[in-house]
Amino acid sequence: EVQLLQSGGGLVQPGGSLRLSCAASGFMFNTYGMNWVRQAPGKGLEWVSAVSGNGNSAYYADSVKGRLTISRDNSKNTLFLQMNSLRVEDTAIYYCVTNLTQGVFWGQGTTVTVSS
Amino acid sequence: QSVLTQPPSVSGAPGQRVTISCTGSRSNIGADFDVHWYQQLPTKAPKVLIYGNLNRPSGVPNRFSASKSGTSASLAITGLQSEDEADYYCQSYDNTLNGWVFGGGTKLTVL
Repeated sequence: EVQLLQSGGGLVQPGGSLRLSCAASGFMFNTYGMNWVRQAPGKGLEWVSAVSGNGNSAYYADSVKGRLTISRDNSKNTLFLQMNSLRVEDTAIYYCVTNLTQGVFWGQGTTVTVSS
Repeated sequence: QSVLTQPPSVSGAPGQRVTISCTGSRSNIGADFDVHWYQQLPTKAPKVLIYGNLNRPSGVPNRFSASKSGTSASLAITGLQSEDEADYYCQSYDNTLNGWVFGGGTKLTVL
């Protein structure tokens, strides 16, 4: 069974940092790209970032470039999102998501609140 | 402004059929990238309704179906039920943006 179990998140002041984690199981983690998607309160879904299966390639939405960094540890089947220089507009529920042969799978989501 | 365009809202009476359109461009749906559809109930994580253009995960009723043609895709829901009232999103990949793109979401109201 494919599982994506997220951790991290919380309340942080503007300009602060947070690190999100997503522990994967049930599939060949190092074979598949991974994504972060977020949803601000009352808004739609927004793709944030993606990383290739081997971790060598990373892609970002313009809104987060230079502030958020995606990475993965294939030895631990874990995806990360390092969030620096956080802004109020980064407040959202963050989901890790992967598109496998057998379907698209989402983590349970973790809330990030940026507020003073 | 979302890269994929969906109607903000649709409605239908119980038992009726509704469709939700998702219009993209030659750099996403028109480039033959897969389209996925999600249902989101209030305060819940998105649930996969359709993946890979037309595949239903186990447990999703066959009242839900999808199609894709050219630069557009659509989701059809037949035999509307009150529990179908939710937000629906389409998603694909864009080779200009090098990332996933979403529709703005469609709120389905069951009258």
